[in-house]
Amino acid sequence: GNSVTQMEGPVTLSEEAFLTINCTYTATGYPSLFWYVQYPGEGLQLLLKATKADDKGSNKGFEATYRKETTSFHLEKGSVQVSDSAVYFCALKGSSASKIIFGSGTRLSIRP
Amino acid sequence: DAGVIQSPRHEVTEMGQEVTLRCKPISGHDYLFWYRQTMMRGLELLIYFNNNVPIDDSGMPEDRFSAKMPNASFSTLKIQPSEPRDSAVYFCASSPTGAADTQYFGPGTRLTVL
Repeated sequence: GNSVTQMEGPVTLSEEAFLTINCTYTATGYPSLFWYVQYPGEGLQLLLKATKADDKGSNKGFEATYRKETTSFHLEKGSVQVSDSAVYFCALKGSSASKIIFGSGTRLSIRP
Repeated sequence: DAGVIQSPRHEVTEMGQEVTLRCKPISGHDYLFWYRQTMMRGLELLIYFNNNVPIDDSGMPEDRFSAKMPNASFSTLKIQPSEPRDSAVYFCASSPTGAADTQYFGPGTRLTVL
């Protein structure tokens, strides 16, 4: 079945550091891929998405590229800020499915 | 738009009591999802509806849990009787048809069963 594996946290970085959170997936067909973010005390919200191979999703300085050959969708940001501290979820939706499969989440903490 | 509304935001109850969580989806959204989040198990999909009809309830943990959607603007998740292991944050999310990948989450209900 479809599944998502993301790097375990917590991840702690200093402000302005480069961020990578790894995500790989297993799926049949051509799934859509997402990153959701959860700020403290809030629900999840969509950060970015990509719907086909080689697409790059981007938002708020974050980027992720849909790599079918490596079944990966790694999240990157060139210079993190304290306000980026949150839990990040990689997710996928199968081409014929209505529900999203979420990864286990990666907690990110940014030191001033 | 007010977004997805959930109530109550916090609920503390004793084991054996009935608990009812409420959700108002975003107007015009055809899909509604109930999730549970715990440290141990992460984010779990419990059930989802399309046009008020339950489509997949395979994530509902046991018969103590039930969910209803009597109309397009209201859904409930009920636990009867509640147990301490039900303590979690419960999220409701909705999405429009044709964009079921973009789910809009409510703020959650933090449930504590003593």
